[in-house]
Amino acid sequence: LAKTTQPISMDSYEGQEVNITCSHNNIATNDYITWYQQFPSQGPRFIIQGYKTKVTNEVASLFIPADRKSSTLSLPRVSLSDTAVYYCLVGAGNTGKLIFGQGTTLQVKP
Amino acid sequence: DTAVSQTPKYLVTQMGNDKSIKCEQNLGHDTMYWYKQDSKKFLKIMFSYNNKELIINETVPNRFSPKSPDKAHLNLHINSLELGDSAVYFCASSQGPSGDYEQYFGPGTRLTVT
Repeated sequence: LAKTTQPISMDSYEGQEVNITCSHNNIATNDYITWYQQFPSQGPRFIIQGYKTKVTNEVASLFIPADRKSSTLSLPRVSLSDTAVYYCLVGAGNTGKLIFGQGTTLQVKP
Repeated sequence: DTAVSQTPKYLVTQMGNDKSIKCEQNLGHDTMYWYKQDSKKFLKIMFSYNNKELIINETVPNRFSPKSPDKAHLNLHINSLELGDSAVYFCASSQGPSGDYEQYFGPGTRLTVT
């Protein structure tokens, strides 16, 4: 069972790049890695997903090394509105294994 | 035109009562989920249904019973509520059950048991 571990909190300043790493040592072959963002009093919102190597979209990049035992969410040039909790999710869904990390609270300061 | 909606948004009740939370999605998705988020913001999956069939049933007390009358709805009924059931419950949906599908979450239902 892929247990996921993330830092509890991180601080950054506006305009900086932020990297949040999730460890998932027991990731299974069928597992995908997905990152979600959650603002207070809202449901989580999809950011990015990957299986291996690097994935980039308009808001973030996801780096996954060859052994897939960790993944790093990269947020370029953060702004105050990026202050939120970020979760990594590892799992295959149809096998009953969907494991969220404990979440990383990102505080962006001016 | 809310994608995933839940009712009620807040629910305050006493120990021992029975309550239900309703969830509806208008995305045409086949898979729906219930998650529990505790006071430490930890998100844990409870149930997942695909095409109205239960596919994930995590270690959850049998006081919790999901019901899916059709693909667009997944309701959660809770019997004999306990203090420890206080949490935010999120419904979500996705196109399919495998981990490569994006999940769309509802706004959550904050349940407080007194």
